[in-house]
Amino acid sequence: DADVTQTPRNRITKTGKRIMLECSQTKGHDRMYWYRQDPGLGLRLIYYSFDVKDINKGEISDGYSVSRQAQAKFSLSLESAIPNQTALYFCATSDIRTSGGETQYFGPGTRLLVL
Amino acid sequence: GESVGLHLPTLSVQEGDNSIINCAYSNSASDYFIWYKQESGKGPQFIIDIRSNMDKRQGQRVTVLLNKTVKHLSLQIAATQPGDSAVYFCAEMEAGGFKTIFGAGTRLFVKA
Repeated sequence: DADVTQTPRNRITKTGKRIMLECSQTKGHDRMYWYRQDPGLGLRLIYYSFDVKDINKGEISDGYSVSRQAQAKFSLSLESAIPNQTALYFCATSDIRTSGGETQYFGPGTRLLVL
Repeated sequence: GESVGLHLPTLSVQEGDNSIINCAYSNSASDYFIWYKQESGKGPQFIIDIRSNMDKRQGQRVTVLLNKTVKHLSLQIAATQPGDSAVYFCAEMEAGGFKTIFGAGTRLFVKA
């Protein structure tokens, strides 16, 4: 989705390095999320933010931190990368549907390899 | 392309046939369910949703069925096309909840 962009699309880094993945959205949504995707495990929630002043841990937040710089920007940092953080990372935004549920809009993903 | 879902359940269908992708959920408190489609190299995209007060909902060429008794969700795709080849995820949310829980996904191959 061009409305949700992620940079970089691919990244190779070494163990112990600090890296940042960035996400921007033009959908005007308040809610933003970071997920990681591993083969056979689906999407797992790392952090989520319901507005600029609201940051919450997801199910696998250890080793990660986030910053919500503005409504449109939500970045994910790996303070000291380790090989088991090698994965596909997705940013998403969401809005509330008329049905009362919530639809998430995903970016194209960032493939991260930690050597 | 991405090495997404190397060990996923796989469904292979002939072009033009109907496809049925199944999903079991475990949380009885979930009251909103969504199907997402993920094509190679892309993020998941919304296909269709259903609330727990319904047992069937139809979209364009897709139908979602919900059986709350056995906590089962299915996605039916009519007249499957090569462009339907992707990984399909079911997802659930609790009433008043704020987190979407995703299933592991099913890979659909469409044979021409």
